[in-house]
Amino acid sequence: NAGVTQTPKFQVLKTGQSMTLQCAQDMNHNSMYWYRQDPGMGLRLIYYSASEGTTDKGEVPNGYNVSRLNKREFSLRLESAAPSQTSVYFCASRNGDQPQHFGDGTRLSIL
Amino acid sequence: RKEVEQDPGPFNVPEGATVAFNCTYSNSASQSFFWYRQDCRKEPKLLMSVYSSGNEDGRFTAQLNRASQYISLLIRDSKLSDSATYLCAVNRPTSGTYKYIFGTGTRLKVLA
Repeated sequence: NAGVTQTPKFQVLKTGQSMTLQCAQDMNHNSMYWYRQDPGMGLRLIYYSASEGTTDKGEVPNGYNVSRLNKREFSLRLESAAPSQTSVYFCASRNGDQPQHFGDGTRLSIL
Repeated sequence: RKEVEQDPGPFNVPEGATVAFNCTYSNSASQSFFWYRQDCRKEPKLLMSVYSSGNEDGRFTAQLNRASQYISLLIRDSKLSDSATYLCAVNRPTSGTYKYIFGTGTRLKVLA
């Protein structure tokens, strides 16, 4: 059982480039989440999708877009990457009031 | 003030010691509670859920105090491998769904 799978695991971009981070879960979860975590800081919610077909902003949505492609997949897009978006990105999923389960992260550096 | 707060630490304890962390929450509508462990630059992993009656998993005990609005995690007989950051998470209903809020974590270093 793979759980939550994120791709890629590492990526280096130049300022202004675009890219999409992929997340897929095989636990039949309704809700999916994207977080970023910077050194020495807690998790900050970027966007979430409470159910297939819906997406909502979290606390730090600027510079990002998301797509809930289907129940399994939730992608995060950086349209024009900036050095301030250098971070570790985590995807998570869950159902209802159950705990979230995380993917192993994407480490993104923007030069 | 943040809705969920933790002492960032670090808590430096010798091997074999007992250590406890608290996590306070401000919204009394909060319904369910969890502890996660996060190793450096890795994903948070669910350690245990926190039940009203308290629960234990080996050397780990979680407690909930609704009156004072905090949860706690007790680690007995600390091991070097327990060194990590411990995050609490609080779940509360909002507008027909649930909001899941993490604390910023408490760092634990177990020393030989």
